[in-house]
Amino acid sequence: ETGVTQSPTHLIKTRGQQVTLRCSSQSGHNTVSWYQQALGQGPQFIFQYYREEENGRGNFPPRFSGLQFPNYSSELNVNALELDDSALYLCASSIGTSGITDTQYFGPGTRLTVL
Amino acid sequence: SQQGEEDPQALSIQEGENATMNCSYKTSINNLQWYRQNSGRGLVHLILIRSNEREKHSGRLRVTLDTSKKSSSLLITASRAADTASYFCATAPNAGNMLTFGGGTRLMVKP
Repeated sequence: ETGVTQSPTHLIKTRGQQVTLRCSSQSGHNTVSWYQQALGQGPQFIFQYYREEENGRGNFPPRFSGLQFPNYSSELNVNALELDDSALYLCASSIGTSGITDTQYFGPGTRLTVL
Repeated sequence: SQQGEEDPQALSIQEGENATMNCSYKTSINNLQWYRQNSGRGLVHLILIRSNEREKHSGRLRVTLDTSKKSSSLLITASRAADTASYFCATAPNAGNMLTFGGGTRLMVKP
C-alpha cells in the first residue's frame, strides 16, 4: 500500500463530455503528478503540481487541466473527451521539492472509457 | 514519446530461474527508476539508481546503470510466480520534472 488513493475506480463517459478524476496523496507529499497509460503502453506524464502550482507539463493539450489542494488532494479534469482519452489515469505523489523527480508513490488508477 | 525502451517486451521463465530486463534511454539523466505493475493497476516503486551509481541491490533485485551506454538492467534472482507482472524503467532528467517511462517488459513466471 502506497497510501495514495484515487476515485472513482472505473468511469464510462461519452465523447464530448467532461470528467474529473480525484487523488488523495500521502500526508506530507507536496508534489503530485498525473500520468495517462494506454493499454499495453507505459505511463505518459501529463503534468505535475507542487504546492498547488503547475510545475511541469507533458505533451498534452490544454483540455487536460489540474488542481492541487492544501489537504494533499488533487484533481485531473479533462474537457471535450475524445475516444483516444480512454486509458488508465494514475496519480503519483512524492516528497520532493520542485526539481528532480524522485521516487513516486502511485495510486491504483482510474480506468476511463470514452464511448 | 517514450525515452526508455525495455528489452525484451515479453519474457516467460520457470520459477527459480533468473529474469533479466534491459532498458535503454536517449538523454542525460539524474536518476533511473524501476517500477512493477500488476494487472493494469498502480505501479510499485522497486529501486532508484542515481547517475553516479553503477549498481544497487534490494533483496532479490539487482540493478545496474551504465551512463556511457545509456542503459540499465534489472535482474530478478530466484524468480517466483508472484513476480509475474509488467516491469517499467523510468528516467528523471537533470532538469525538469517529467519522469519518462518505457514501454515495459511483461514477465511471466510459471510455477
